[in-house]
Amino acid sequence: AQSVAQPEDQVNVAEGNPLTVKCTYSVSGNPYLFWYVQYPNRGLQFLLKYITGDNLVKGSYGFEAEFNKSQTSFHLKKPSALVSDSALYFCAVRGRDDKIIFGKGTRLHILP
Amino acid sequence: SAVISQKPSRDICQRGTSLTIQCQVDSQVTMMFWYRQQPGQSLTLIATANQGSEATYESGFVIDKFPISRPNLTFSTLTVSNMSPEDSSIYLCSDGPINYGYTFGSGTRLTVV
Repeated sequence: AQSVAQPEDQVNVAEGNPLTVKCTYSVSGNPYLFWYVQYPNRGLQFLLKYITGDNLVKGSYGFEAEFNKSQTSFHLKKPSALVSDSALYFCAVRGRDDKIIFGKGTRLHILP
Repeated sequence: SAVISQKPSRDICQRGTSLTIQCQVDSQVTMMFWYRQQPGQSLTLIATANQGSEATYESGFVIDKFPISRPNLTFSTLTVSNMSPEDSSIYLCSDGPINYGYTFGSGTRLTVV
């Protein structure tokens, strides 16, 4: 069965430092992977996706993610964190019948 | 990508009543999905709604509790029926997949008292 795991409930990063939010996946076949962000009292906003092609995917707000097939990982990264990046981040995979399966989410705190 | 308007954005409802949530997409989409996000948790798929057919519900969700309509390719509603405090959650709709991406509505924050 398709699944994603986000091993960290919370990640704390100082403003200006690089950030990484981890995600690993388990799929049969080629993975379609996504990152979404949820700000308080807001819906889900799309950040980026990996379908095929380059392993480094660039997305919105300066975020990028690295697809690693051998490690079955799709970690979200940003070179320099902003306080405004503080939010809840979800990794997701496309499952059977085009359904999206979400990880449990990682709360990112950027410390000023 | 599509734009999805979802309303209401929030509501406080009495137990035993029902609330209907609407999602309007600015383009025609074959599939729409409805999710529930309980406090502090991830999103759980409730059902898939295709135009012209009955919604397909995930394990643990039933039509009597969460009836869904999909009258055309740009609109869908989810009703939360006979509500109890345990139904207090954020409910979200999405389209998908279009160009392998999924767009979400802004969510409905439901509090049942």
